[in-house]
Amino acid sequence: DTAVSQTPKYLVTQMGNDKSIKCEQNLGHDTMYWYKQDSKKFLKIMFSYNNKELIINETVPNRFSPKSPDKAHLNLHINSLELGDSAVYFCASSQAGGLADTQYFGPGTRLTVL
Amino acid sequence: GNSVTQMEGPVTLSEEAFLTINCTYTATGYPSLFWYVQYPGEGLQLLLKATKADDKGSNKGFEATYRKETTSFHLEKGSVQVSDSAVYFCAQYNNDMRFGAGTRLTVKP
Repeated sequence: DTAVSQTPKYLVTQMGNDKSIKCEQNLGHDTMYWYKQDSKKFLKIMFSYNNKELIINETVPNRFSPKSPDKAHLNLHINSLELGDSAVYFCASSQAGGLADTQYFGPGTRLTVL
Repeated sequence: GNSVTQMEGPVTLSEEAFLTINCTYTATGYPSLFWYVQYPGEGLQLLLKATKADDKGSNKGFEATYRKETTSFHLEKGSVQVSDSAVYFCAQYNNDMRFGAGTRLTVKP
């Protein structure tokens, strides 16, 4: 059983398009995250949602909008895609509370903007 | 603010060599510390963690000790295998999650 799943795995699109990446977790966790990993493998947090409330937004352009219909899902919608948005996007989840917050990651979505 | 600094790669070793990947952190308070591993084409997986000073995390032959006095959490393994080839990320959790830049390890037979 997949704990954290993302779709699609690969996404190739043209500049200016709007696209969405879906994420689902079946771990019963309260908090979900989106990360962006650039070509140099640097991992940067974008968003965090706790019980459907946004609690972190690390200076991400407002073209990126997370949408959480319920606590098991956190989708990432991107408007007006730019070349610099090409990266691997990882979804993750963790149980809320405490400082030892282990995160469980999805397999990643490789986005290529042409 | 909170941050993590780890040694730059890439690191290339022969099978059965000793591995050290350095990691230091800056934080207010007492963070939890982690090492994550990313195998080619996959997402990150938790390798080990430590939640307080002097704790030692260990898994699959890897170890790291939480050193508060030197604010470090260096990853070590006594004898690496080809299957350990991956990118390793040091991270801390202190109200939010911060990752290091990642260190690519290649182990040659």
